[in-house]
Amino acid sequence: GQQVMQIPQYQHVQEGEDFTTYCNSSTTLSNIQWYKQRPGGHPVFLIQLVKSGEVKKQKRLTFQFGEAKKNSSLHITATQTTDVGTYFCAGIGQGGSEKLVFGKGTKLTVNP
Amino acid sequence: GAGVSQSPSNKVTEKGKDVELRCDPISGHTALYWYRQSLGQGLEFLIYFQGNSAPDKSGLPSDRFSAERTGGSVSTLTIQRTQQEDSAVYLCASSLVWSVETQYFGPGTRLLVL
Repeated sequence: GQQVMQIPQYQHVQEGEDFTTYCNSSTTLSNIQWYKQRPGGHPVFLIQLVKSGEVKKQKRLTFQFGEAKKNSSLHITATQTTDVGTYFCAGIGQGGSEKLVFGKGTKLTVNP
Repeated sequence: GAGVSQSPSNKVTEKGKDVELRCDPISGHTALYWYRQSLGQGLEFLIYFQGNSAPDKSGLPSDRFSAERTGGSVSTLTIQRTQQEDSAVYLCASSLVWSVETQYFGPGTRLLVL
């Protein structure tokens, strides 16, 4: 079945450093979504990418969807302590199950 | 409602007992999803509903797990004869329609089986 893998599993940075998490799917995706879960909280939707090669920005966050629609990345510029949390990608396979499959997430910690 | 609500927020039970978890989706959302998240782990899909029907039950870990949704709104997840490995946070999410729409998550029910 469809699998979504995320790397790295953990990332620790100094405040002000950049951070990137990568998401790879075993199958071509129709779309990909990104969620953030703060410690002790529940996942909160960040963004959805649909088009091949799509790039979207939200302030210091940049989201990319690969040309082949099998991978995606989230890049945070100049991290802040408020960026702490686990970032999940989730994708839906093309032409198959409509189930949204989540990656295991990347846990980001930021040292002030 | 303002968001997805779940009850109880915390549940401690003894091994072998049955538990029932409740989810109230956002009003008007036709799709409803149940996930399980063990400590420090990712989201494990359990089941989703489109309206009152559940097209995909493949994620339910065992026949001790069941879920229902009535009236296209509230859903309950029932775990019979709980085991210690059932301890986790059970998250419910809803979306306007199934899967391709943004999922809005509830705060979760933290289940501890002693």
